[in-house]
This record gives sequence, structure tokens and C-alpha cells, in this order.
Amino acid sequence: GNSVTQMEGPVTLSEEAFLTINCTYTATGYPSLFWYVQYPGEGLQLLLKATKADDKGSNKGFEATYRKETTSFHLEKGSVQVSDSAVYFCALSTGNQFYFGTGTSLTVIP
Amino acid sequence: DTGVSQDPRHKITKRGQNVTFRCDPISEHNRLYWYRQTLGQGPEFLTYFQNEAQLEKSRLLSDRFSAERPKGSFSTLEIQRTEQGDSAMYLCASSLTSGRAGGELFFGEGSRLTVL
Repeated sequence: GNSVTQMEGPVTLSEEAFLTINCTYTATGYPSLFWYVQYPGEGLQLLLKATKADDKGSNKGFEATYRKETTSFHLEKGSVQVSDSAVYFCALSTGNQFYFGTGTSLTVIP
Repeated sequence: DTGVSQDPRHKITKRGQNVTFRCDPISEHNRLYWYRQTLGQGPEFLTYFQNEAQLEKSRLLSDRFSAERPKGSFSTLEIQRTEQGDSAMYLCASSLTSGRAGGELFFGEGSRLTVL
């Protein structure tokens, strides 16, 4: 079946620290991979995506690389800001359905 | 068009009552999804439509839940005889179909249901 496993939180970092949130997946076929972010009081919004192996998605300083050999799509940012505090969801799509991880809560402290 | 909108944003009801949520997707999007999200969990798939056709429904969805998209535009999700376990955030999302997996979902802000 299709599923996503992501690093459990919560994660607390100081401003300007390096961020990694791990995500691994199980899928049949060739899924697309996504990171969604949910800021406090807001709906989920797309952060970045990658549609095939070795693609790198990037946005707002965040990056993730689609690694087929390790079935991973880890989210990274070199220097986090207080405004990055949110819940991050890894997801995969097989074309019809989307499967989400349980989310990782990030708090960045000044 | 400013995005996916959901109504109401909050609903408090007593156990046993029926509730209905509405979702207006982005106008050119032909796919519409309903998800449920509880605290500390990711969105859980309920059902999706392509145009007016309901193509898939989660096996976890009880018969008390029904969804419609009568003209392929807005959709409603009705929960009959609500139970306390139905308390959750109900999310609607829309997308354009693409040749393969790659189209992103655009989410509304959700409708929070509290069953007393």
C-alpha cells in the first residue's frame, strides 16, 4: 500500500539553526512527493514538491530531494526563522489519492 | 477567485443531530477532496469527486457520512446522527487532474465540528 512516515515532533530550534525533518514513503508506482505547511490558524498550503526521482523541490529557503533509492524526501532549511514555526506534513500522490504523514510541529525560538 | 472556501468554519452540535458542510473549490478545478483531521494527525482521506462523479470513498467512512457534488462545482458533506467521535476538522481541497501524479491540492481553511 501507500503510506508516509515522518519524523515525530515536536521540534524546537533556535533561530538560524539548521532544520531537517525526515520523511520516508512506501508507494506502488511512481508517486509525486510534497511538503505541506500549516501555520497557526491557517489551512494547509503547499511548500514544495517533486514529481520524479532526483528532483529537488525548493521554496522559501526549504529544500527536499526525491530519493528513490532510499524512498525518502527529507525537508531541510539552512537557517530557520521564527516565522517558520508551523506544522509540516509530508505527502505523496499516486495521481488519484494523496497520503499524508502525521505532521511535525516546529517551534523556532528567538 | 481567492481559493477554496468552506462554510461554516465552526459548528457545535449535540450528539444525534445532523450537520452539513459546504465547500466551494477553485472554479476551474475538476477534482474535489474531503479529508478529516484530528489533533496531532495528518489529513485522513474521506472521499473525492471528479466533476460530479464520486470516484472513491474511504472504507473507514461510515454510512452516516454522505457527500455530493451535484453540478461539479460546490460540494456538501453531511453527517447524520453525529457522534462524539465525529469531532474533528473537516478539510476540503481541490485540484486539476494531470497526466500523472503531480497536481497539487489546494486546501480550504476547514470546518471544525464539535459534537457535545
